[in-house]
Amino acid sequence: GAGVSQSPSNKVTEKGKDVELRCDPISGHTALYWYRQSLGQGLEFLIYFQGNSAPDKSGLPSDRFSAERTGGSVSTLTIQRTQQEDSAVYLCASSADTLQPQHFGDGTRLSIL
Amino acid sequence: RKEVEQDPGPFNVPEGATVAFNCTYSNSASQSFFWYRQDCRKEPKLLMSVYSSGNEDGRFTAQLNRASQYISLLIRDSKLSDSATYLCVVTFGGGSYIPTFGRGTSLIVHP
Repeated sequence: GAGVSQSPSNKVTEKGKDVELRCDPISGHTALYWYRQSLGQGLEFLIYFQGNSAPDKSGLPSDRFSAERTGGSVSTLTIQRTQQEDSAVYLCASSADTLQPQHFGDGTRLSIL
Repeated sequence: RKEVEQDPGPFNVPEGATVAFNCTYSNSASQSFFWYRQDCRKEPKLLMSVYSSGNEDGRFTAQLNRASQYISLLIRDSKLSDSATYLCVVTFGGGSYIPTFGRGTSLIVHP
């Protein structure tokens, strides 16, 4: 079956621009997570959606970062006024519920010039 | 505050060797446990869940020790293709069900 789909695969943009990253989770998965991973580093949790509950935004590094999940399915992560330190791979994962294993998309490799 | 800790390695082993990794966690209310593998510049992929009674999948064995708060992964008869970073994941209970990833243990299997 279809896995988690992320787009774009790669994004290169200039410092100061806004970017929008998209995640299409596995159908029926109620939990959706965003992480980022810098080269050689571990996964950094950003935000978590579970069903219709308010998202857990505790991992967002600044107010330039926001995310939404429409209709309990597709999610977009928006980074405003990008900085060079935002360069990383942004990974999205979904799971059937919070205690089930997560399935990851291929990620979006973001490069800020 | 490190809630999930792993030895970063690298563990450098010859083909055919048996290797074991541990992962310790700090929250005794933890509810689910998994091992993932991550290849260089790729996304993490689920390797196996970890059950209280321990579980095996081919050459891989996972165990949970709740009393000492650690999980382990044993790989027997290592293959070159086992070279990767192994991540443990723990989901804590008590209201915050965000899975917490360890930093990973690097395994290099050489001929």
